[in-house]
Amino acid sequence: GENVEQHPSTLSVQEGDSAVIKCTYSDSASNYFPWYKQELGKGPQLIIDIRSNVGEKKDQRIAVTLNKTAKHFSLHITETQPEDSAVYFCAASYNQAGTALIFGKGTTLSVSS
Amino acid sequence: GAVVSQHPSRVICKSGTSVKIECRSLDFQATTMFWYRQFPKQSLMLMATSNEGSKATYEQGVEKDKFLINHASLTLSTLTVTSAHPEDSSFYICSARAGGPSGEQFFGPGTRLTVL
Repeated sequence: GENVEQHPSTLSVQEGDSAVIKCTYSDSASNYFPWYKQELGKGPQLIIDIRSNVGEKKDQRIAVTLNKTAKHFSLHITETQPEDSAVYFCAASYNQAGTALIFGKGTTLSVSS
Repeated sequence: GAVVSQHPSRVICKSGTSVKIECRSLDFQATTMFWYRQFPKQSLMLMATSNEGSKATYEQGVEKDKFLINHASLTLSTLTVTSAHPEDSSFYICSARAGGPSGEQFFGPGTRLTVL
């Protein structure tokens, strides 16, 4: 089955700096890669996703890149703000309605002002 | 995005009792819903895949007789933790995946279960 590795486990940056979180996956059949932000005591919120037919996707300060050959994808947050502080999870799956997501272990991002 | 609700948000129960958690997709139909468990400072671990009108598919190591799942309609799935014990205390999160080419998976707000 699919296995997703995520690094780093913790990341501390100064406000305004960029943050990069990296994930690798094992199943070459996976073709859907979402990123979730989870605040304490809440469910995960989808912040951006990418499909295997695309190499990069951007939404304001957030971008995701995908390298299918190397089986890794990354989340990039620019101009970080204190409210970006949260736990971020990457996930992978085959893009089909009945298929569950397999999650990485998460990255705790702390943005200090 | 689509909205998924969970009820209750928090429950405290005595050891040996059963607890039911409801998961609803509010503005879309979900033939499949998923149940995850999350321990403090850990990732989401898939427990089972809930299919409307059929039996749930459980992940290895998850006791199907302890975690009863019922997917009664296209918008409702329930998880019942039977004979709960303190080690079942956790954050339980459901999700539903939209069908078609989009395929985004939306999560509920989670249910904090504490077994005394």
